[in-house]
Amino acid sequence: EADIYQTPRYLVIGTGKKITLECSQTMGHDKMYWYQQDPGMELHLIHYSYGVNSTEKGDLSSESTVSRIRTEHFPLTLESARPSHTSQYLCASSSGANVLTFGAGSRLTVL
Amino acid sequence: QKEVEQDPGPLSVPEGAIVSLNCTYSNSAFQYFMWYRQYSRKGPELLMYTYSSGNKEDGRFTAQVDKSSKYISLFIRDSQPSDSATYLCAMSVRGSNYKLTFGKGTLLTVNP
Repeated sequence: EADIYQTPRYLVIGTGKKITLECSQTMGHDKMYWYQQDPGMELHLIHYSYGVNSTEKGDLSSESTVSRIRTEHFPLTLESARPSHTSQYLCASSSGANVLTFGAGSRLTVL
Repeated sequence: QKEVEQDPGPLSVPEGAIVSLNCTYSNSAFQYFMWYRQYSRKGPELLMYTYSSGNKEDGRFTAQVDKSSKYISLFIRDSQPSDSATYLCAMSVRGSNYKLTFGKGTLLTVNP
């Protein structure tokens, strides 16, 4: 049973729209991450957080932003979506020891 | 040169076969090595986790790490159709706050 939840699972929107991808975990993990996954490509870290009010950009540059106001919640926002943002976005959390628990992903398509 | 190289496959084997999946890496600072399994339209799930060199066995799965060759492997014995998935290797540096570097993943199909 998944302890990390992502919504929406699938989203198709038009260019210029603002979108928020939600991620919540019930495990009380301090560390949370957003990865981007394109077909046939590596997962790339785009944002991470070590705790409430802590956010950092990852290795892959992204126009998205994140916030961490509550331990269990780590939403990702795109202010103005473009076709280049079409991808799968995976949220993960960790209590430590390099063990990440991933959500099922949010597949975004921007037309 | 990418930090982690993984043959994307696809790899197709008959049920019962022994499967060998491999990754090479260039960063000698990597100390933690993981294999994740990802079913279609799902997020990755941790399958095996090893620290430094050596072998680790869990049921039908064996993970090997050879730091001198910068090479890691995952072996699946008596493969089953339910093993059909994409297998991702991942690794991290000590003190990196659990930021993982992933391979591209190998798509495995086990045919009944």
